[in-house]
Amino acid sequence: DAKTTQPTSMDCAEGRAANLPCNHSTISGNEYVYWYRQIHSQGPQYIIHGLKNNETNEMASLIITEDRKSSTLILPHATLRDTAVYYCIVRVGGGNAGNMLTFGGGTRLMVKP
Amino acid sequence: GAVVSQHPSRVICKSGTSVKIECRSLDFQATTMFWYRQFPKQSLMLMATSNEGSKATYEQGVEKDKFLINHASLTLSTLTVTSAHPEDSSFYICSAFTLLNTEAFFGQGTRLTVV
Repeated sequence: DAKTTQPTSMDCAEGRAANLPCNHSTISGNEYVYWYRQIHSQGPQYIIHGLKNNETNEMASLIITEDRKSSTLILPHATLRDTAVYYCIVRVGGGNAGNMLTFGGGTRLMVKP
Repeated sequence: GAVVSQHPSRVICKSGTSVKIECRSLDFQATTMFWYRQFPKQSLMLMATSNEGSKATYEQGVEKDKFLINHASLTLSTLTVTSAHPEDSSFYICSAFTLLNTEAFFGQGTRLTVV
């Protein structure tokens, strides 16, 4: 799987949008971009994933650049409960359960009052 | 969404004893489950891939005789830490992909402390 690069940490004011960038310049054509987050002492939580189109769900939006070499996860109105480590992962998709998720360092997002 | 349940959430054991951690997919069948380990302030590291009905596949550096994995059914995988030592103290997390969906679901994790 392609490697990803994320900033180590970011701060965001409560109620503002949190924009978390991710570089995946070596992504292959069949690799999806996944975002997970891990709140302290819990298992990772799925947020969103996409291939090349922008995606939105009840938690967040995912913006993928046209060349697919980078993406941004957007939390539209960050709350204190969004404080967590956010992981950007690229993985071959297609529902093949044999393709595991490889975690990098992630971005530690601190939402401040 | 799909649910993966881990048990126990916390366990303290004495050095030299064995500890079993269970990972269950509650509302879907998982032919493959994954076991991760996470040390404080570090990311998740894949330990092994658990395959239903066959032997697990271990990542380089992970001792298969120390970390026994059994995936006896489509909804249950177990990780047994044998002859535990204090350096095995860690946060162990399992995950599984559903066959139809493309996202993985994770258990809540097990905090193992070996004293």
